[in-house]
Amino acid sequence: AQTVTQSQPEMSVQEAETVTLSCTYDTSESDYYLFWYKQPPSRQMILVIRQEAYKQQNATENRFSVNFQKAAKSFSLKISDSQLGDAAMYFCAYRRGGANSKLTFGKGITLSVRP
Amino acid sequence: DVKVTQSSRYLVKRTGEKVFLECVQDMDHENMFWYRQDPGLGLRLIYFSYDVKMKEKGDIPEGYSVSREKKERFSLILESASTNQTSMYLCASSLYPTASSNTGELFFGEGSRLTVL
Repeated sequence: AQTVTQSQPEMSVQEAETVTLSCTYDTSESDYYLFWYKQPPSRQMILVIRQEAYKQQNATENRFSVNFQKAAKSFSLKISDSQLGDAAMYFCAYRRGGANSKLTFGKGITLSVRP
Repeated sequence: DVKVTQSSRYLVKRTGEKVFLECVQDMDHENMFWYRQDPGLGLRLIYFSYDVKMKEKGDIPEGYSVSREKKERFSLILESASTNQTSMYLCASSLYPTASSNTGELFFGEGSRLTVL
């Protein structure tokens, strides 16, 4: 079974600084997708960024980028120029390729941003 | 924009009561999911459905059932609520992933926080 591990339960970053959130996963599949989701306090979860396993290039979305290390099964999220609105719970998730496959989530990490 | 609406944000029920959590999505998504979110445990999949009247057990289906009579609606049912079912319940939907198109990303509702006394 696939597992997703987020070993740090909490992190803190100074506003305008950069922070990296760690995620590792375990799979024997070669075709899969990885995601980072953000859940702000009392608000719905939204997708931050996604990565297809077959793509060599790391995904980026504005201030958010990933460091995808396929051999090491590592998928970290880097947030640059952190803003107060980045304070949230972040979940790493995995889905194997193919239809009807489900997302498996990590336990999440709570990110706080210091003004 | 995709909208996933959960009928109740907060519910308080008594042990033994039957509880219905409703979820509606407006983007014609084939797949719908029910997750449970607990501190320190992340999101755990209860049930999912990839078509009308179809359902699949997730990782923690015990004590729950689901109903999908229409494509846009997916209901979670607690036949006899227990205190250990006090939790945040999240509904999500996604398109049916194909080889060349979407990655099956989920769109979430705002959640239903259930307290069972």
